Amino acid sequence: QLQLQESGPGLVKPSETLSLTCTVSGGSISSPHFHWIWVRQPPGKGLEWIGTVYYSGTTYYNSSLESRVTISVDTSNKQVSLKLTSVTAADSGLYYCAMAVGTTRGFGYWGPGTLVTVSS
Amino acid sequence: EIVLTQSPGTLSLSPGDRATLSCTTSQSISTSYLAWYQHRPGQAPRLLIYGASSRATGIPDRFSGSGSGTDFTLTISRLEPEDFAMYYCQQFGSLPLTFGGGTKVEIK
Repeated sequence: QLQLQESGPGLVKPSETLSLTCTVSGGSISSPHFHWIWVRQPPGKGLEWIGTVYYSGTTYYNSSLESRVTISVDTSNKQVSLKLTSVTAADSGLYYCAMAVGTTRGFGYWGPGTLVTVSS
Repeated sequence: EIVLTQSPGTLSLSPGDRATLSCTTSQSISTSYLAWYQHRPGQAPRLLIYGASSRATGIPDRFSGSGSGTDFTLTISRLEPEDFAMYYCQQFGSLPLTFGGGTKVEIK
């Protein structure tokens, strides 16, 4: 059973870089059918897509974050990473990684999420 | 950007009731790229429905999805205590991927 787990600092200072890692366990991801997204949820709000990375390394980002975000995949280590630069308090919230197999079956695998607080 | 509007914002029902949740998209989308998720506090979102009407693995048959074009519906035939949660629709056929604002199903 494939499982995802986010990890990274829970507290980040304003203007610094938020770095999170999503580790996949429980099976192989050595297939071009896999792709991943990062999603965040600010306190009391809904879900916001941050970006997508495909097995090939191709990425797409939310235009509102594009100038600050980088997502990459390391299939050999079964990890997906998120970097968000120049963070502010508005970047605080729960961050989730999710994985889809194929392009039409939705995102069936999610990590439990990690809480990030931006504060000095 | 395709905007997804969910209604109602909150649904107050009792266990055993039928729940009908609506998701309207700002432009017509393929059913292939419409999904529904359940989100309980402190837990990861859970895929319920993909392709607008296909249940994900392990999802009870009291959950069903329907719709096409711009109007989609998630129906829970008989609410169980564990079904009281937030529900989000998502479209993933066009960039940016977008989620609806959510419907909270709460105990009446």
